[in-house]
Amino acid sequence: KQEVTQIPAALSVPEGENLVLNCSFTDSAIYNLQWFRQDPGKGLTSLLLIQSSQREQTSGRLNASLDKSSGRSTLYIAASQPGDSATYLCAVYFTGNQFYFGTGTSLTVIP
Amino acid sequence: DTGVSQNPRHKITKRGQNVTFRCDPISEHNRLYWYRQTLGQGPEFLTYFQNEAQLEKSRLLSDRFSAERPKGSFSTLEIQRTEQGDSAMYLCASSFPFGSYNEQFFGPGTRLTVL
Repeated sequence: KQEVTQIPAALSVPEGENLVLNCSFTDSAIYNLQWFRQDPGKGLTSLLLIQSSQREQTSGRLNASLDKSSGRSTLYIAASQPGDSATYLCAVYFTGNQFYFGTGTSLTVIP
Repeated sequence: DTGVSQNPRHKITKRGQNVTFRCDPISEHNRLYWYRQTLGQGPEFLTYFQNEAQLEKSRLLSDRFSAERPKGSFSTLEIQRTEQGDSAMYLCASSFPFGSYNEQFFGPGTRLTVL
């Protein structure tokens, strides 16, 4: 059974700090990996999608990397801001039409 | 608004009642997904459609759950004989598998409370 794990479960950083969120998955046979942001009580907002053939994707202050062989992805957030406070989720689309989310990392950026 | 929409946003029901949720995907997206999310957890995949065909169903989707997408546009998720354990946020997403590489876009969710 495929699994997706996110570490840490919660993270608190001062404003302006750079930070890294981790996502690991148990099977390298993936189609893509997608990072989302979720604010309390809300739906999910797509941040970045990395195809299985790609190593990284960038959008503004966000950079996501993918290492399929080791089953890992990281989301790097540069110069964090209080508005970045949210739960960050990674989702893996495994081949065979299996979609799995991690449990998320709750990020708090302290002004 | 051209995003994914879900109705209702909140539903409170008594145990044993049936409930139905609706999802309207982004218009050009031919894939539609349903997920369930409980507090503190990531979304759990329930089922997905490509056009009107239901292609995959999770083991989480018990016999009390049924989903339809009759014309390949909007979808409904029905829960029969609701139980307190069905209380959760039900999320819908849509995607277009080509070009955007199946990037999923989510609606705001329907929060179900079973009393």
